Amino acid sequence: RKEVEQDPGPFNVPEGATVAFNCTYSNSASQSFFWYRQDCRKEPKLLMSVYSSGNEDGRFTAQLNRASQYISLLIRDSKLSDSATYLCVVGNSGGYQKVTFGIGTKLQVIP
Amino acid sequence: EPEVTQTPSHQVTQMGQEVILRCVPISNHLYFYWYRQILGQKVEFLVSFYNNEISEKSEIFDDQFSVERPDGSNFTLKIRSTKLEDSAMYFCASNVETQYFGPGTRLLVL
Repeated sequence: RKEVEQDPGPFNVPEGATVAFNCTYSNSASQSFFWYRQDCRKEPKLLMSVYSSGNEDGRFTAQLNRASQYISLLIRDSKLSDSATYLCVVGNSGGYQKVTFGIGTKLQVIP
Repeated sequence: EPEVTQTPSHQVTQMGQEVILRCVPISNHLYFYWYRQILGQKVEFLVSFYNNEISEKSEIFDDQFSVERPDGSNFTLKIRSTKLEDSAMYFCASNVETQYFGPGTRLLVL
């Protein structure tokens, strides 16, 4: 089983749609969870950290289910500018972060 | 807003040549990392660095690779004798809580 598994997509959705991405991780000792966004040939940029209680930032909602070792990202009212690859990132806790990346899920928002 | 910077943005080299990739992490960060991303593949951890020494390295980080923090600001990755399969995007990152990535160096080995 891959350490961090994501559906690579692509997900092609119309503007205004709601889209959800899922990610599973294999290491039950993982303590930190993130969604990063990566535009083509650019660096990963932090979208949001994911907490057990779930968290929301504008149109983006992230959920963590530790029992199922599953993380989700929901994007509401998709914009053309949301087109990117969304990377699920899982790691340990503490200052030194050993993180593992998923392959990423590619989103294309269509006019 | 503080950011991680990397130079050069692109580097083309011949197989067997040495390359040095440079990074300036965010100034108050304590932990530094190098990652690589081969085209179309996932981001892979290479090495982490703290308190002037390597804290952890991956299987990819073999004897051909080395890292250094020669002064208070720069953090370098050296590949001693490049191979074709070293062609990739190399990202530097640093953190206090969450990792922030530099824009990357695209390395092409011919």
